[in-house]
Order: sequence, then structure tokens, then C-alpha cells
Amino acid sequence: DAGITQSPRHKVTETGTPVTLRCHQTENHRYMYWYRQDPGHGLRLIHYSYGVKDTDKGEVSDGYSVSRSKTEDFLLTLESATSSQTSVYFCAISDPGGDQETQYFGPGTRLLVL
Amino acid sequence: GEDVEQSLFLSVREGDSSVINCTYTDSSSTYLYWYKQEPGAGLQLLTYIFSNMDMKQDQRLTVLLNKKDKHLSLRIADTQTGDSAIYFCAEVFSSNTGKLIFGQGTTLQVKP
Repeated sequence: DAGITQSPRHKVTETGTPVTLRCHQTENHRYMYWYRQDPGHGLRLIHYSYGVKDTDKGEVSDGYSVSRSKTEDFLLTLESATSSQTSVYFCAISDPGGDQETQYFGPGTRLLVL
Repeated sequence: GEDVEQSLFLSVREGDSSVINCTYTDSSSTYLYWYKQEPGAGLQLLTYIFSNMDMKQDQRLTVLLNKKDKHLSLRIADTQTGDSAIYFCAEVFSSNTGKLIFGQGTTLQVKP
């Protein structure tokens, strides 16, 4: 298994509070991604990073921000959590440009916003 | 825009073959992937196929790619109860960034 951890694994929070999720990798992969998984939608990309301090938006980025100050860590922040952000959040890593462009996934964080 | 479609549910008996289908829209995709998600877990890469291939076999798994129809399928031979999971197909949206577009996932139920 790729060395990817996510913390916390479970979180319950209240509407309006900020929340930060952490993704940590030990593979030295250049690219990191944050997805959310909701029933009927599969996985949708929130933000991704292509290097330290280099990030870009995905398809569902509103209400989320990210930071990457080190290769191994990619943080996802919900600036003011809303109930619509209740979801399972997955981090993934990859090294595009090789012989294939596989993404490897972390175990996920279950977030409940009350 | 880019879209990946899968049927949502498939039920088979243990020992039968399972075929999970997927259609995609971007004919320039370089790779197409199949991931497996067991309950409460992350996505695990099952297999992938390069766009210049028609078929790839890996033990019980067979991937078929029909580029003309933009159709991808995953066949699992001798399906076991441990194969019960959600299966996602994904296509490469952008080879420069490695961005993937995922289908909604197909829940495979294997009955004993």
C-alpha cells in the first residue's frame, strides 16, 4: 500500500466552524489531490497540488482552501463548515509523466457537519 | 464536458462471472482505470489499461476496451463473496496533472 495517511479519520463539527483535514505521504509523489465522495456522485475533485506551494482548483472547490508547505503534507480547510460539506474526504497522490498515471488513495476522513 | 457513466448495481451468485460496464467521453484519454472500494475503506487500484490496448488480463480480471464506442468493461471470473464492493472506473482528464474523472461507482453484490 502507498504510504498515505489521513487525519482525523472521523470528525463531527458544527456549522460555521473551520475544519482542517490533513493528508500525509511518505512516497515523495509530486501531485496530491483532495476528493469528496457522496452517494450518486462518485468522487469529485476539490483541489489538487502539483508541488510545494503550487495548487489549483478542482470541480467543487467553493468553500474549501488548501495549502502545501511541504512535499509530504497537503491540508484541506473548510473555512466555515456547512451541512452540505458532510461527506467522506479522500486524499490521493500520483506522479504523472511516468509510464502510467495511477493515483493512490488514503483511507478517508468521514466528516459530519451538524 | 467529460463524463463517465456506470450502472449503479450488479448482483451475481458466487462462482459466476461479473461484468461491470463503463462508458466515457474523452477519446484522448491515455489510461483508464478500475478501482475497488470495500466498505469503510479507500479506493484500491485494481487494474488499468492503456488506450492503445483492446484487452488486458490479470488473473481473474479481464478488462476490455472498445475505443470506437468509448466503452470499458471489467470482467471478474469465478466471483467470490470477497469481491463484494463498489467498483469505480476512471479516465484521465488531464495527462499533465494526472487528474481523473470517476464514474458514480457500481455496487457489486455477491450472493453465496
